[in-house]
Amino acid sequence: RKEVEQDPGPFNVPEGATVAFNCTYSNSASQSFFWYRQDCRKEPKLLMSVYSSGNEDGRFTAQLNRASQYISLLIRDSKLSDSATYLCVVNIGGNMLTFGGGTRLMVKP
Amino acid sequence: GAVVSQHPSRVICKSGTSVKIECRSLDFQATTMFWYRQFPKQSLMLMATSNEGSKATYEQGVEKDKFLINHASLTLSTLTVTSAHPEDSSFYICSASKGDYGYTFGSGTRLTVV
Repeated sequence: RKEVEQDPGPFNVPEGATVAFNCTYSNSASQSFFWYRQDCRKEPKLLMSVYSSGNEDGRFTAQLNRASQYISLLIRDSKLSDSATYLCVVNIGGNMLTFGGGTRLMVKP
Repeated sequence: GAVVSQHPSRVICKSGTSVKIECRSLDFQATTMFWYRQFPKQSLMLMATSNEGSKATYEQGVEKDKFLINHASLTLSTLTVTSAHPEDSSFYICSASKGDYGYTFGSGTRLTVV
């Protein structure tokens, strides 16, 4: 079983749609959680950290359920520019990051 | 903000040659840097953890004699792919943390071995 699992997609959605990505992690001792965005052939860039209380940044909402070892990302009012691969990332300790396989999003006009 | 510079961004080399990739933290000191590899349509996989002034820690399955890591200063880590072969062709990315869970990635190096 992979340490961090994501549905690879692709998710094809129209502009303006709401889309949700899920991620599960296997290490219950994981300490911190993030969503990164990666554009084709580019390095990952931090989208947002994920907190147990849930957090929102504009059109993006992230939630963490430690009991179920589950992380989610909700994107509202999708834009064409949101098309990318979204990586669920977990810090298992010692500043080491473990990446999920990524979920590819394609927003169509 | 924290900036990590990685060079070169792209390199094509002949099979059997060695390639050095540099990763520099420009505005902060990084006692630890991380090297990742990403094959097409796959996620990033941690190769090794580079510690300033000491030996790197390699992940299982990564050959330390093939992927030489040197972290001689608090702002520079290098990854040398020795005797590169076509199967080493990949996207190599470094990252560094300031210690406050802020991770910054280099822009990556696309290595093609022909």
